[in-house]
Amino acid sequence: GIQVEQSPPDLILQEGANSTLRCNFSDSVNNLQWFHQNPWGQLINLFYIPSGTKQNGRLSATTVATERYSLLYISSSQTTDSGVYFCAVDSNTGKLIFGQGTTLQVKP
Amino acid sequence: DGGITQSPKYLFRKEGQNVTLSCEQNLNHDAMYWYRQDPGQGLRLIYYSQIVNDFQKGDIAEGYSVSREKKESFPLTVTSAQKNPTAFYLCASSIDATGLAGQLEQFFGPGTRLTVL
Repeated sequence: GIQVEQSPPDLILQEGANSTLRCNFSDSVNNLQWFHQNPWGQLINLFYIPSGTKQNGRLSATTVATERYSLLYISSSQTTDSGVYFCAVDSNTGKLIFGQGTTLQVKP
Repeated sequence: DGGITQSPKYLFRKEGQNVTLSCEQNLNHDAMYWYRQDPGQGLRLIYYSQIVNDFQKGDIAEGYSVSREKKESFPLTVTSAQKNPTAFYLCASSIDATGLAGQLEQFFGPGTRLTVL
């Protein structure tokens, strides 16, 4: 089945810094989502982005489907950005496969 | 208020007991999913349903059972056959499972934390 790798596994930032999270996948996909899991466990949808570029406020994402990777950019990070960021993909099976996540800590 | 609800938020079970986790959605989505998350890990798919009265096993279905009698509801039963049931369980839904782009995006409920005593 399709493999999903996220990097880095852990990231510590000072408030105001920028960061880039990466997601590599092993096969072509028809669904790619980025999520933020808050401290209470809720998964918040950030982007649905099987290809192309999207922006939402301080967050943006780019998926290069032909090279099988996606990037999540966080600019001017805030302490509320802390948590775990997951990438999940589907290769036309109807099933999302999750990466192991990147744990982000933003210090004030 | 549209969304996905899960109950209970916390559940404690004695070994040997079956328990049922509730998942309801009022988004009129056809597809529904159950995932399990262990500490420090990503989510793994237990079961999914693309339409009423039909469901398929995911990657870790052993020890679990589901039903899909109504479009809005997809309950998950954790049976006594599940050897390590303590985990965080998340339910999700999407407009479709394998249809047009834009209909595949999954949305998640708040989760149920199950602890076996």
